[in-house]
Amino acid sequence: AQKITQTQPGMFVQEKEAVTLDCTYDTSDPSYGLFWYKQPSSGEMIFLIYQGSYDQQNATEGRYSLNFQKARKSANLVISASQLGDSAMYFCAMKEETSGSRLTFGEGTQLTVNP
Amino acid sequence: NAGVTQTPKFRILKIGQSMTLQCTQDMNHNYMYWYRQDPGMGLKLIYYSVGAGITDKGEVPNGYNVSRSTTEDFPLRLELAAPSQTSVYFCASREGQSSYNEQFFGPGTRLTVL
Repeated sequence: AQKITQTQPGMFVQEKEAVTLDCTYDTSDPSYGLFWYKQPSSGEMIFLIYQGSYDQQNATEGRYSLNFQKARKSANLVISASQLGDSAMYFCAMKEETSGSRLTFGEGTQLTVNP
Repeated sequence: NAGVTQTPKFRILKIGQSMTLQCTQDMNHNYMYWYRQDPGMGLKLIYYSVGAGITDKGEVPNGYNVSRSTTEDFPLRLELAAPSQTSVYFCASREGQSSYNEQFFGPGTRLTVL
């Protein structure tokens, strides 16, 4: 079974609008962490935001926020006020307590911001 | 502080050749990882290490070997290269066991096997 599922291969958004990128996960560990990374066309992996399974509040980092719904096992990334530079591939990843220090990545969502 | 560095940036191999992808980090991180990313796909873990002298297999270890003789270096060895190993290879490191610690990624090595 897929541990991380990103169901949107591609998303389009108008500049200055908000966009939500979906991520669902599957784990039986009570302790886990969820990460979002951005990969622009240049190829590097850029860490965006982190949510711990025990965190009471949704994580926020500037224009990025994580809509964490634990019961639904979803950790959607919300980008507010999209910018042209946000066009990139976005990956959701999970670290489970029992997996040691390994991250499991989803297949990614390609976001295109239109002017 | 260079972070995670990888060499080479690009390489073309013939089938059956061998090579070593180099990875070095200067952050004194104990944990290091090797991933591969096939076109249009997510990252898959090849091998990882939780400290010098300790390595373990990830999701897709076949055709690869690693060693970790120092904290800084974590080379990935390809023996008998095959076209299926055409991919972008990322090395990453992180500070500790805590879930919070993000992984820092190198710039990647683009490998083509013909």
